[in-house]
Amino acid sequence: EAAVTQSPRNKVAVTGGKVTLSCNQTNNHNNMYWYRQDTGHGLRLIHYSYGAGSTEKGDIPDGYKASRPSQENFSLILELATPSQTSVYFCASGGQGEGERLFFGHGTKLSVL
Amino acid sequence: TQTVSQSDAHVTVFEGDSVELRCNYSYGGSIYLSWYIQHHGRGLQFLLKYYSGNPVVQGVNGFEAEFSKSDSSFHLRKASVHWSDSAVYFCAARITGNTRKLIFGLGTTLQVQP
Repeated sequence: EAAVTQSPRNKVAVTGGKVTLSCNQTNNHNNMYWYRQDTGHGLRLIHYSYGAGSTEKGDIPDGYKASRPSQENFSLILELATPSQTSVYFCASGGQGEGERLFFGHGTKLSVL
Repeated sequence: TQTVSQSDAHVTVFEGDSVELRCNYSYGGSIYLSWYIQHHGRGLQFLLKYYSGNPVVQGVNGFEAEFSKSDSSFHLRKASVHWSDSAVYFCAARITGNTRKLIFGLGTTLQVQP
């Protein structure tokens, strides 16, 4: 069974602090994604990656960076966290040719105070 | 611009009832369509998808969806719901081509009452 693991599950950060959300997948999928989920907005794509070393901007990339150091790992980085970035973040992976079927992690609940 | 709309934010039914969750998309070209389910506090899980062929596709746990090009729709149905079907359901679309991005609707919360 495809597995996507996110860490941490919950995070409280201070405004202006640096936050790193980590994602690991054991599916050997090329494509990985970071979404945030907010009431009234559904899921919005922040960054995505086609493979190790690549990152692409999604629909709402401002204030976020991404890093894909390997096939398995994809991180989302908030260099200067703001309260507006309080949200639930989901990582997902998808295989080549199966981009429409994603496997999601359980989510990270981030609160920026 | 590609969009996905789910007209009902909340749907409440009784256990054993049938249900239809609506999804409409706007895009003139070839498109992948899918449905995902999200139980409370969990990540999204894939239910089913459509790209071509038979417009009625079967998914897990008795769900099916029907594609209609004329209506630009991909509605999800289940003949007899169970309390465990209570969740948020997301319709998603991806246009064919180079992009691998999925565009999600805002979701429909299904509440199944005993």
